[in-house]
Amino acid sequence: RKEVEQDPGPFNVPEGATVAFNCTYSNSASQSFFWYRQDCRKEPKLLMSVYSSGNEDGRFTAQLNRASQYISLLIRDSKLSDSATYLCVVTAYGGATNKLIFGTGTLLAVQP
Amino acid sequence: EPEVTQTPSHQVTQMGQEVILRCVPISNHLYFYWYRQILGQKVEFLVSFYNNEISEKSEIFDDQFSVERPDGSNFTLKIRSTKLEDSAMYFCASTLQGKGLFFGSGTQLSVL
Repeated sequence: RKEVEQDPGPFNVPEGATVAFNCTYSNSASQSFFWYRQDCRKEPKLLMSVYSSGNEDGRFTAQLNRASQYISLLIRDSKLSDSATYLCVVTAYGGATNKLIFGTGTLLAVQP
Repeated sequence: EPEVTQTPSHQVTQMGQEVILRCVPISNHLYFYWYRQILGQKVEFLVSFYNNEISEKSEIFDDQFSVERPDGSNFTLKIRSTKLEDSAMYFCASTLQGKGLFFGSGTQLSVL
């Protein structure tokens, strides 16, 4: 089983749509969880951390289910500028070094 | 806003040559990392560095790779004898403990 698994997409959605991405991780001892965004040939940028209680940042909502080892990201009212690859990221066990394990990413294309 | 700075943005080299990739992490960060991303693939961990020594390294980080923090600001990745398969985007990242990583804009390494 891959350490972090994501549906690669692409997800093609119209502007204004709501889209959800899912991610599973294999190491139950992982302690921190993030969603990063990566534009083509650019660096990953931190979108938001993911907490067990769920958290929201504007149009973005992240959820974590530790029992199922499952993370989600919901984007409401999609904008053209949301088009990017969304990376699910978890810390490896032994988090003292904060080593991050990346998923392969889910490509989102928001259409006008 | 403070940022991680990487130079050069592009590096072209001949197989077998040594290359040094340079990074200036965010000034108050304590943990430093190198990641790489081969075109079309996921972001892969290479090495983490804390308190002036390597804290963890991946299988990719073999004897051909080394890292240094020669002064209080720079963090370098050296590849001693480059191979064709070393061609990738190399990202430097830094963080305070417990926070998400912040990435530089990367160095695209092309080995011919």
